[in-house]
Amino acid sequence: EAQVTQNPRYLITVTGKKLTVTCSQNMNHEYMSWYRQDPGLGLRQIYYSMNVEVTDKGDVPEGYKVSRKEKRNFPLILESPSPNQTSLYFCASSPLLAGDGGTDTQYFGPGTRLTVL
Amino acid sequence: AQRVTQPEKLLSVFKGAPVELKCNYSYSGSPELFWYVQYSRQRLQLLLRHISRESIKGFTADLNKGETSFHLKKPFAQEEDSAMYYCALSPLYGGATNKLIFGTGTLLAVQP
Repeated sequence: EAQVTQNPRYLITVTGKKLTVTCSQNMNHEYMSWYRQDPGLGLRQIYYSMNVEVTDKGDVPEGYKVSRKEKRNFPLILESPSPNQTSLYFCASSPLLAGDGGTDTQYFGPGTRLTVL
Repeated sequence: AQRVTQPEKLLSVFKGAPVELKCNYSYSGSPELFWYVQYSRQRLQLLLRHISRESIKGFTADLNKGETSFHLKKPFAQEEDSAMYYCALSPLYGGATNKLIFGTGTLLAVQP
């Protein structure tokens, strides 16, 4: 089944303890992205990647790192988590272009609910 | 600044009533507009893209560049339409960038 998977789905951690949220897609998509979803703020982009070894900042990148060593994987790293990073995180992937030349559908993972105490 | 505004946090209607979820955007160029939907306990998924002009599950949306709006409409709401709806904009810089700017979402509740 074509899908985006994230692990873990739920995580409770403490301030300063490094963590990684994995994201994997099996659709051979070039583009991958991380969003965070907060009440009243909708989804905001953290980082994105247009292809292997190509990553760039989104709108709220502070406190996060990413890597894209393989096409299918795009892990999100929090080196020193803080309580303001408590949020619901979504990974998404898509082809670079739709058949009509426009922006293609983004396929979302199930989300990771992170609580930083 | 690029921005998507969904003025209603919650829209409650009765089954069979018409639905209109409002979306306004701020962007100086020619954007692509989307509606994404998140049903309870499911992941976010695309509902429709303005560029493809499709009607999905009875929903339609027309891009009005003069009013910078992309309202989502359905003539007769069904209970299974209850979900969170997000309007999103993708800016075009002479090519696809895939970046999506989301609104804050509107929760549609269809009462029996």
